[in-house]
Amino acid sequence: SQTIHQWPATLVQPVGSPLSLECTVEGTSNPNLYWYRQAAGRGLQLLFYSVGIGQISSEVPQNLSASRPQDRQFILSSKKLLLSDSGFYLCAWSVTQGGYTFGSGTRLTVV
Amino acid sequence: KQEVTQIPAALSVPEGENLVLNCSFTDSAIYNLQWFRQDPGKGLTSLLLIQSSQREQTSGRLNASLDKSSGRSTLYIAASQPGDSATYLCAVRPVGGGSNYKLTFGKGTLLTVNP
Repeated sequence: SQTIHQWPATLVQPVGSPLSLECTVEGTSNPNLYWYRQAAGRGLQLLFYSVGIGQISSEVPQNLSASRPQDRQFILSSKKLLLSDSGFYLCAWSVTQGGYTFGSGTRLTVV
Repeated sequence: KQEVTQIPAALSVPEGENLVLNCSFTDSAIYNLQWFRQDPGKGLTSLLLIQSSQREQTSGRLNASLDKSSGRSTLYIAASQPGDSATYLCAVRPVGGGSNYKLTFGKGTLLTVNP
């Protein structure tokens, strides 16, 4: 069966520190992968998506970046976190004719 | 630009009531529409996926309909239970490739089912 793993579940980081969130998918090949952010009281915002290894599209200019070193691995990074980076980060995958499947999310608090 | 609207923003009902959540979208050129559930502090759980050629999908007490021409979808929940309390989100996926892999989400309906 297809599963998606996302970690860590919660993270508290100081301003200016680096960030690395990881997402892996099992049970499917060549998925489309996505990073979304959900800020308090706001909707879901697409940050990055990837249709293949090394192929990253950015939707929002910011100090975050994404990488896809392997087919089923998607990483969200930052060199220096800002207070405004706090939020709930969700990884998701889809295949061409299917729906989206989301991970359990990472609650990031920048202090 | 696709816009998705969900009405009502919040809904409180007594246990056992049948209810309908509404979702409307401005661009009818969609590939599919998906309903999700989100519990507080949790990720999104997919409830139903309706392809553009379909009119409805059913899963247990849930039934989702799609009227693409009018830009509307409804999620019907029968015999509601306190465990159904959550935020319900609908999202549409446009046709085509490239950047059209993106979903457009509504802001959700916060459902509270009171025992």
